[in-house]
Amino acid sequence: NAGVTQNPKFQVLKTGQSMTLQCAQDMNHNSMYWYRQDPGMGLRLIYYSASEGTTDKGEVPNGYNVSRLNKREFSLRLESAAPSQTSVYFCASSEDRGDEQFFGPGTRLTVL
Amino acid sequence: DQQVKQNSPSLSVQEGRISILNCDYTNSMFDYFLWYKKYPAEGPTFLISISSIKDKNEDGRFTVFLNKSAKHLSLHIVPSQPGDSAVYFCAASEGNRDDKIIFGKGTRLHILP
Repeated sequence: NAGVTQNPKFQVLKTGQSMTLQCAQDMNHNSMYWYRQDPGMGLRLIYYSASEGTTDKGEVPNGYNVSRLNKREFSLRLESAAPSQTSVYFCASSEDRGDEQFFGPGTRLTVL
Repeated sequence: DQQVKQNSPSLSVQEGRISILNCDYTNSMFDYFLWYKKYPAEGPTFLISISSIKDKNEDGRFTVFLNKSAKHLSLHIVPSQPGDSAVYFCAASEGNRDDKIIFGKGTRLHILP
């Protein structure tokens, strides 16, 4: 089992460019999450999906969109990247709502 | 307003001694608490959890204590080992009433040789 995988591992964008961060899990989990981690800020929830076909905003959703493509995959899209979106992005999944979450290795994004 | 607070950004402990990481929370509806460990350039990994019906949960060298009346939990690591050097995140949820886990800002633990 690969657990939670994320692609790409690193990305550099220019302001205004768009990109999609990919996440997949092979644990048959119902819930999936996107977080960003910034120095001194801990993990902040961007969006989550409690089950296939549903998505909800987290603490810091502005500037992002998500798609729960199927039970396995949950993507995060930046339509017009800004320097404030420079961060490390983590995808996570859990069997059910409120359960312990399993994290991917992260995507380090730099927006110039 | 931070619902989960880790007031110590960093902590240094001698190898072999006890490490105690603290966490406070404000939401009285939280009934499930977790600790995660994170190494640089890796995702967080689940370490140990505790349900509000317990006041202690032990797993090897790791013990989590919960004081509901004080809205406080702590993670004890005994004995501390060099591989324990990492960032530790405290997290809490309302269990099945909510989809979200709320994370604290983390405490960086340094184990000194």
